[in-house]
Amino acid sequence: GENVEQHPSTLSVQEGDSAVIKCTYSDSASNYFPWYKQELGKRPQLIIDIRSNVGEKKDQRIAVTLNKTAKHFSLHITETQPEDSAVYFCAASKGANTDKLIFGTGTRLQVFP
Amino acid sequence: GAVVSQHPSRVICKSGTSVKIECRSLDFQATTMFWYRQFPKQSLMLMATSNEGSKATYEQGVEKDKFLINHASLTLSTLTVTSAHPEDSSFYICSASPGRKPTGYSEQYFGPGTRLTVT
Repeated sequence: GENVEQHPSTLSVQEGDSAVIKCTYSDSASNYFPWYKQELGKRPQLIIDIRSNVGEKKDQRIAVTLNKTAKHFSLHITETQPEDSAVYFCAASKGANTDKLIFGTGTRLQVFP
Repeated sequence: GAVVSQHPSRVICKSGTSVKIECRSLDFQATTMFWYRQFPKQSLMLMATSNEGSKATYEQGVEKDKFLINHASLTLSTLTVTSAHPEDSSFYICSASPGRKPTGYSEQYFGPGTRLTVT
């Protein structure tokens, strides 16, 4: 089955700097890659997603890139702010009938003022 | 729109008892619901996928007789943890999907989670 690896597990940056989180997946049939932000004790919130027919997508300070050949995708956060501090998860899905998501291991991002 | 609720938000039970967790889609019909378990500082692990009116599909390693899932309607799925033990203590999160969009993928909307503590 699908396996999603995520790096780094923790990331500390200064406010205003950029943060990059990387994920790799194993199943070449995966075609949908969302990113979630989860604050302590809360539900995951979708922050951006990308489909396999697109190489890059941007939404204000957040961008995601996808390299299907290498089977990896990355989250880029620019001009980080303290409120960006949270745990970020990548996920992969085949978009098949069940549309189930396989999550990465998570990255704890800390943005210091 | 696309609100998913879970009840209860927190539950403490004694070892050996059963606990039922409800997941409801409040403003849409969910053709598919998913149940995840999340241990502290770990990722979300998919437990099972349920479609309305049919038996749930469990992920490898998840005991279907211990974690009973019922998806009786398009807005309600329940997870019952039977004969709970301390190692079942975890954060249980459901998600609901309204079905595939013309673009090919249907987004999952997550519930707020239920923190189960088994003493």
